[in-house]
Amino acid sequence: DIQMTQSPSSLSASVGDRVTITCQASQDISKYLNWYQQKPGRAPDLLIFDASNLETGVPPRFSGSGSGTDFSLSINSLQPEDFATYYCQQYGNFPYTFGQGTKLEIK
Amino acid sequence: ELNLVESGGGLVQPGRSLRLSCAASGFRFDDYAMHWVRQAPGKGLEWVSGISWNSANVGHADSVKGRFTISRDNAKNSLYLQMDSLRPEDTALYYCAKDMRVRWLGSLLSGMDAWGRGTTVTVSS
Repeated sequence: DIQMTQSPSSLSASVGDRVTITCQASQDISKYLNWYQQKPGRAPDLLIFDASNLETGVPPRFSGSGSGTDFSLSINSLQPEDFATYYCQQYGNFPYTFGQGTKLEIK
Repeated sequence: ELNLVESGGGLVQPGRSLRLSCAASGFRFDDYAMHWVRQAPGKGLEWVSGISWNSANVGHADSVKGRFTISRDNAKNSLYLQMDSLRPEDTALYYCAKDMRVRWLGSLLSGMDAWGRGTTVTVSS
């Protein structure tokens, strides 16, 4: 199975900051990597698909990059609504797997 | 408007079975693969199972392989998860999710772009 290692597991930042979350796959998954945002009590929302493509309706302050085994999600100029938990997910091979999540908190 | 509504959750004893359902509307159900994803209380997301639009391609997480079976009925716009030999560690909120691509590369599955609100499964004696 492909293991997805996200870091950090938690992150404190202020409104207006830029933050980056990384995700490493245990084997090559090409570009088959998505990023999701989840707020408490709600289902996840797709942010980025195929490693770097912004889902419709997602603000352009979100961006993704990477291929192969190393990926990252960046958020420019953090807004209050961005404080949530973020997950990467690979769909290069069954079984599909998620990273353990990164909780982004307000400093 | 796209809508996914899960049902069938509840309290069940270890070793027993439960069948989850997901009713889909607002999109052409038979064009998309579908997934089940779960989240244990206070924990992260875990992909459970996925099925292609035509049921030709099915996958399960190792943790449920041999115990859970995913299926679909395109005529009824419905997705199912048959869960047998349930264990306490299966306790979670189970989400139904729509694949983000139309009939991708024949019968492959990709990521999820729409989710239901989930149904809660509690396995306890």
